Amino acid sequence: GENVGLHLPTLSVQEGDNSIINCAYSNSASDYFIWYKQESGKGPQFIIDIRSNMDKRQGQRVTVLLNKTVKHLSLQIAATQPGDSAVYFCAENRGQNSNSGYALNFGKGTSLLVTP
Amino acid sequence: EAGVAQSPRYKIIEKRQSVAFWCNPISGHATLYWYQQILGQGPKLLIQFQNNGVVDDSQLPKDRFSAERLKGVDSTLKIQPAKLEDSAVYLCASSPRSPAHEQFFGPGTRLTVL
Repeated sequence: GENVGLHLPTLSVQEGDNSIINCAYSNSASDYFIWYKQESGKGPQFIIDIRSNMDKRQGQRVTVLLNKTVKHLSLQIAATQPGDSAVYFCAENRGQNSNSGYALNFGKGTSLLVTP
Repeated sequence: EAGVAQSPRYKIIEKRQSVAFWCNPISGHATLYWYQQILGQGPKLLIQFQNNGVVDDSQLPKDRFSAERLKGVDSTLKIQPAKLEDSAVYLCASSPRSPAHEQFFGPGTRLTVL
């Protein structure tokens, strides 16, 4: 299948700094992308999503940027806090089936460690 | 609202044994997904249900894995017989029919095959 991958497996940042997590995708037909956060022993938790007709979307302390030209997605976390320590996954929709929802292809994940 | 419930949370079996996992999605969510997450990797879709019908099971190893969603609510995923490489966390997720794409995940069942 198509590949959704991440540039860095681990990222260490200091508390209060901004974090940037990158993701590359290869399926040019993907039209929907999501970032998930997964803490140890828990299921993935939705952070933010973006459709392919947008290049930027902002949430609370998070921003997702989409560059379709180079098939690149990034998640920016402002003023990173210890509670942000987790594994972050980008995911793309597997296919379009508007009647039944979108299953997702996940990347391998980036482990974010926030140090005091 | 209550989240996606899964049980058991942990299971240890020997290879060639059988195992079953149970999922109760968020009330009213028509779409249900089972994912397999091997340690250090992202979740991989096994099967997607819309109500009680299968939408996508292209990545389900059908020689040993089966899943059902009778009555379009709860779902069970079964492995028979299990192999060592089936050791993973099995995640269940659900989402509203439309227009939301967000999937809500349960805590998962960690399976260890010895």
